[in-house]
Amino acid sequence: AQKVTQAQTEISVVEKEDVTLDCVYETRDTTYYLFWYKQPPSGELVFLIRRNSFDEQNEISGRYSWNFQKSTSSFNFTITASQVVDSAVYFCALSEGPSGSARQLTFGSGTQLTVLP
Amino acid sequence: DTAVSQTPKYLVTQMGNDKSIKCEQNLGHDTMYWYKQDSKKFLKIMFSYNNKELIINETVPNRFSPKSPDKAHLNLHINSLELGDSAVYFCASSWSGGRDEQFFGPGTRLTVL
Repeated sequence: AQKVTQAQTEISVVEKEDVTLDCVYETRDTTYYLFWYKQPPSGELVFLIRRNSFDEQNEISGRYSWNFQKSTSSFNFTITASQVVDSAVYFCALSEGPSGSARQLTFGSGTQLTVLP
Repeated sequence: DTAVSQTPKYLVTQMGNDKSIKCEQNLGHDTMYWYKQDSKKFLKIMFSYNNKELIINETVPNRFSPKSPDKAHLNLHINSLELGDSAVYFCASSWSGGRDEQFFGPGTRLTVL
């Protein structure tokens, strides 16, 4: 079973629209960490946010916000008033497993977001 | 100063050749990783090293051999390259424990002809 599911393969919106990228994860661990990364057309991977399993507080950073709900195993990402520069592939990732250095990061398949002018 | 650097950025080679990709991080992290991103953008971990010791070794052909001469470097050597090895390879580093974000290098686009 896929541990991190990003069901939306591609999303297109027009500039200034709000858009939500979905992420559903699966784990048996009680301690785990969730991440979002952005990969713009230039190809680099940029860290956006980290959440641990004990912190369900939602977070807002400028136009970005994240909604973490353990009850539904989801960690969704919303961009408000999208801009063309937000066009990128967005990855959700889960870090779980034995404590210490053996934990590994499992990525979802990514969502290609295209913001049209 | 680049936090995680990789060389080369592009690598074009013939099937059957041997090639290496180098990675260096100047963040002082104790753990380094190699990931492969395929043509569909799917990212999968290949190896993880902690303090120069191999920690994670996913199901990767043994033609791939990582080498960590010190904590700041993790190189990837690939023998007998095959067409299916064409991908973007990312190096990353972080603190051990899996709690912290990983910092990624710019990637190396490998094309096997």
